[in-house]
Amino acid sequence: AQSVTQLDSQVPVFEEAPVELRCNYSSSVSVYLFWYVQYPNQGLQLLLKYLSGSTLVESINGFEAEFNKSQTSFHLRKPSVHISDTAEYFCAVSQGTDKLIFGTGTRLQVFP
Amino acid sequence: GAGVSQSPSNKVTEKGKDVELRCDPISGHTALYWYRQSLGQGLEFLIYFQGNSAPDKSGLPSDRFSAERTGGSVSTLTIQRTQQEDSAVYLCASSFAGLAVETQYFGPGTRLLVL
Repeated sequence: AQSVTQLDSQVPVFEEAPVELRCNYSSSVSVYLFWYVQYPNQGLQLLLKYLSGSTLVESINGFEAEFNKSQTSFHLRKPSVHISDTAEYFCAVSQGTDKLIFGTGTRLQVFP
Repeated sequence: GAGVSQSPSNKVTEKGKDVELRCDPISGHTALYWYRQSLGQGLEFLIYFQGNSAPDKSGLPSDRFSAERTGGSVSTLTIQRTQQEDSAVYLCASSFAGLAVETQYFGPGTRLLVL
């Protein structure tokens, strides 16, 4: 069975500092990987996804994630965070089926 | 265009009562999903509808939970004899064809509180 582990439930960071949100998955077959973000009082929205090809994927707001098959990881990074990045981030996996399996989420809190 | 909408946005009910939660997917999307977001449990898959196929109910936590999708569009999630542990945010999502590579678009959720 698939599972997703987000080791950090909360990550506090100062504005303009780099951040990494960790995500590990377990699956014996190829998977598709997603990061969703939930801003305060808003619904979940897709941030980026890995389907195939280049292992480094980027979002339009400066986040990137790298698929590492050997380490079964899909960590999310940003070199310099902004106050507006404060949100909850969910890593998810899909194994060629329909439903998403989510991690428990990481709350990123950016301080001025 | 319009996104996924859900109603009500908030629902407070008494233990033992039945509740119905509604989801309007994005027009033209054939796949519809229900998830539950609760403290300590993260986001859990509940049920999935794809076109006219039999729904995938593998995530429903008990037989008190059921869902239907009428006319391939609107869906209703029903919880019978609600319990306090049913308190959570219930999220609906839709995608164009239900393929694993597709983005799922989420609604704002219904926050359910069972007293």
